[in-house]
Amino acid sequence: QQQVKQSPQSLIVQKGGISIINCAYENTAFDYFPWYQQFPGKGPALLIAIRPDVSEKKEGRFTISFNKSAKQFSLHIMDSQPGDSATYFCACSGNTPLVFGKGTRLSVIA
Amino acid sequence: DAGVTQSPTHLIKTRGQHVTLRCSPISGHKSVSWYQQVLGQGPQFIFQYYEKEERGRGNFPDRFSARQFPNYSSELNVNALLLGDSALYLCASSALLENTEAFFGQGTRLTVV
Repeated sequence: QQQVKQSPQSLIVQKGGISIINCAYENTAFDYFPWYQQFPGKGPALLIAIRPDVSEKKEGRFTISFNKSAKQFSLHIMDSQPGDSATYFCACSGNTPLVFGKGTRLSVIA
Repeated sequence: DAGVTQSPTHLIKTRGQHVTLRCSPISGHKSVSWYQQVLGQGPQFIFQYYEKEERGRGNFPDRFSARQFPNYSSELNVNALLLGDSALYLCASSALLENTEAFFGQGTRLTVV
């Protein structure tokens, strides 16, 4: 049973474009939704997170959009840069350990 | 301020051997969690320790064990290693029992041959 479904599996975006990664969850007890960025050979780095009391959170070029009724949230990367090329993981928690999606490999090409 | 540190960074072991992985959390953080990340997958939860007590255990066999020390550092032990234990083992620290604001170390790459 996959509690957190992440899509797409891979994504290629032109430099300056918008990268969009989606996640869907099943457990309505989840109340914390972070996104992590992972470069090869490194541990995941916390990028941005949201609680269900707001529908959107923006930090720099990164925005989380959250739809509680649909049990979905997404990460938008504006003005994508080659340095953003990495694997991105969504995760969910609700007084529980983090449950991760399977990841999205983002490639930003010039 | 130092982040989460893990040692060793890489390790090669033979099937049937035992391994100990170590983690030092961010200063002031009392919660340490261990995750296993197989290539191409997201991290899978193994254990959480908070204030030196086990607070959660994932779906892993009893060959996996862990503990947390008075200085909040932690060890993950794996006995009778199998080829399938080859993975990146990640330690995450957070200030609270809740797994919010969890920060990961660089991981230990374990290869079982």
